Amino acid sequence: AQSVTQLDSQVPVFEEAPVELRCNYSSSVSVYLFWYVQYPNQGLQLLLKYLSGSTLVESINGFEAEFNKSQTSFHLRKPSVHISDTAEYFCAVSESNDYKLSFGAGTTVTVRA
Amino acid sequence: GAVVSQHPSRVICKSGTSVKIECRSLDFQATTMFWYRQFPKQSLMLMATSNEGSKATYEQGVEKDKFLINHASLTLSTLTVTSAHPEDSSFYICSASWLAGGLNSYEQYFGPGTRLTVT
Repeated sequence: AQSVTQLDSQVPVFEEAPVELRCNYSSSVSVYLFWYVQYPNQGLQLLLKYLSGSTLVESINGFEAEFNKSQTSFHLRKPSVHISDTAEYFCAVSESNDYKLSFGAGTTVTVRA
Repeated sequence: GAVVSQHPSRVICKSGTSVKIECRSLDFQATTMFWYRQFPKQSLMLMATSNEGSKATYEQGVEKDKFLINHASLTLSTLTVTSAHPEDSSFYICSASWLAGGLNSYEQYFGPGTRLTVT
């Protein structure tokens, strides 16, 4: 079975500064990787995903993540954050032989002016 | 596209009563729906997987007689919390996917969640 580790539980960052959220996974088979964002009292919204192809994936609001198979990582980055990026971010993984998603513990990003 | 709704968004009920939460896929047919539970400041924990027309598969430690799941159509799954107690208070989130084969089958589309408070 797969597992997901998000190394940072809380990340405070100033507006317009860069941010990186770390995600590592363990699995014995091929995986598909996802980053979700959750705003207070709301459900999850897909931020970006890696299913196949290019290992660098981007979202429409400036986030990017790179799948690194050798390091079993899928870190999320944004070069310049906004106040509106304040939210909880979850990394998730599913294995190629199973449709279930396993979630990391989440990282709370707080952007301050 | 791929919109999932949940109803109600919030519900308060008395201890011992039952509560039904609906999860609907609005613009696609969901062959599989997943039910998650999220405690404050914590991650999502998968409770069960439901496939249209068959019995749900529950994760270890989840009481199937307490959390009744029905997936009667390709657009609707329901979660009924029976004889609710205060410890059942939580944020319940559903997701839906269309397992038609191919990589997109691995994508899950999430509902906005239901906040259950049992008094």
